Amino acid sequence: AQTVTQSQPEMSVQEAETVTLSCTYDTSESDYYLFWYKQPPSRQMILVIRQEAYKQQNATENRFSVNFQKAAKSFSLKISDSQLGDAAMYFCAYRGYGNKLVFGAGTILRVKS
Amino acid sequence: DGGITQSPKYLFRKEGQNVTLSCEQNLNHDAMYWYRQDPGQGLRLIYYSQIVNDFQKGDIAEGYSVSREKKESFPLTVTSAQKNPTAFYLCASSIVRESEQYFGPGTRLTVT
Repeated sequence: AQTVTQSQPEMSVQEAETVTLSCTYDTSESDYYLFWYKQPPSRQMILVIRQEAYKQQNATENRFSVNFQKAAKSFSLKISDSQLGDAAMYFCAYRGYGNKLVFGAGTILRVKS
Repeated sequence: DGGITQSPKYLFRKEGQNVTLSCEQNLNHDAMYWYRQDPGQGLRLIYYSQIVNDFQKGDIAEGYSVSREKKESFPLTVTSAQKNPTAFYLCASSIVRESEQYFGPGTRLTVT
């Protein structure tokens, strides 16, 4: 079974600085998708970014980018120019052949002004 | 406005009572899902449905039941057989099972 591990329960970043959230996963599948979801205090889950495993190019969405290392099974999220609105719980998620989303335990990101 | 509605936002029940959580979507999505979120854990799949009148168990289906009589609606019943029902419940939908999932605002259920 696939597993997703987020080893950082909490992270802090100063406003306007850059922070990287870590995620590793375990799978024997070759074709899959990886996602980062954001859950702010409202608890609404928001898709931040997605990466297809067959694409070598790292996905980017404005201030959010990923570092996808397929061989290492690593999928980190970099947030540049951090803003107060980025404060949230961030979940890494995996979707493989079974089309089931498997989530990590989450990382709480605090943004200091 | 297209989206997913979950009601109510907060729900309180006494132990031993069944309770039904509502999930409605007007996105014309075929697939719908129920997840449970507990503190310190990621979301876990309870049930999912790919089409009307069909649904499958997820990883933690025991003590829960669902129905899918209409495309727009996927209610979740938390039965008295669920040993630890207090949690945050999230509903999601996707165009088909292979596409992106969009989430509702969630329902916080407290059972005492």
